[in-house]
Amino acid sequence: AQSVTQLGSHVSVSEGALVLLRCNYSSSVPPYLFWYVQYPNQGLQLLLKYTTGATLVKGINGFEAEFKKSETSFHLTKPSAHMSDAAEYFCAVSDYNDMRFGAGTRLTVKP
Amino acid sequence: SQTIHQWPATLVQPVGSPLSLECTVEGTSNPNLYWYRQAAGRGLQLLFYSVGIGQISSEVPQNLSASRPQDRQFILSSKKLLLSDSGFYLCAWSGRRGDEQFFGPGTRLTVL
Repeated sequence: AQSVTQLGSHVSVSEGALVLLRCNYSSSVPPYLFWYVQYPNQGLQLLLKYTTGATLVKGINGFEAEFKKSETSFHLTKPSAHMSDAAEYFCAVSDYNDMRFGAGTRLTVKP
Repeated sequence: SQTIHQWPATLVQPVGSPLSLECTVEGTSNPNLYWYRQAAGRGLQLLFYSVGIGQISSEVPQNLSASRPQDRQFILSSKKLLLSDSGFYLCAWSGRRGDEQFFGPGTRLTVL
């Protein structure tokens, strides 16, 4: 069975600083990988996904993630944080049959 | 385009009362449907999923149940609520299992 570990339940950055949210996965098959964002009292929204092909994936709102098979990682980055990026972020892994979510990372952006 | 609805948006219920939360999907057919719960400060817990009408799989034993009376309708129920049932309930759908899921706006349930 696959699993996801998100390092850091809380991350705080200053506005304009680099955002780095870490995600490591385990899977017995080549995985599909996802990042979702959740704003307060709302459902989850897909930021980006990796299935096959190019390992650097660009998503909405300026976010991107790189699939590194050797490191079993799929970290989410954004060059410059904006106040509106403050939210909960979830990494997820799929073996084409089941999707498993990480515990989430709450991102705080300081002015 | 596809949309997913959940209602009610918020609900306050006394311990021991029944529960019925509804989720409907528009713009697609034969979706895979999911119920998740988020307790305060916790991640997503998959409660139930369904691959078709009348087909329900439970991930976690509890006093909740789910039903799928129509292709695009998914209902979460309880006969008697517990305090521990409080949380944020999310419904989601996907075109096939393991592919990206699309989430509804959620229902905030408070059991007093």
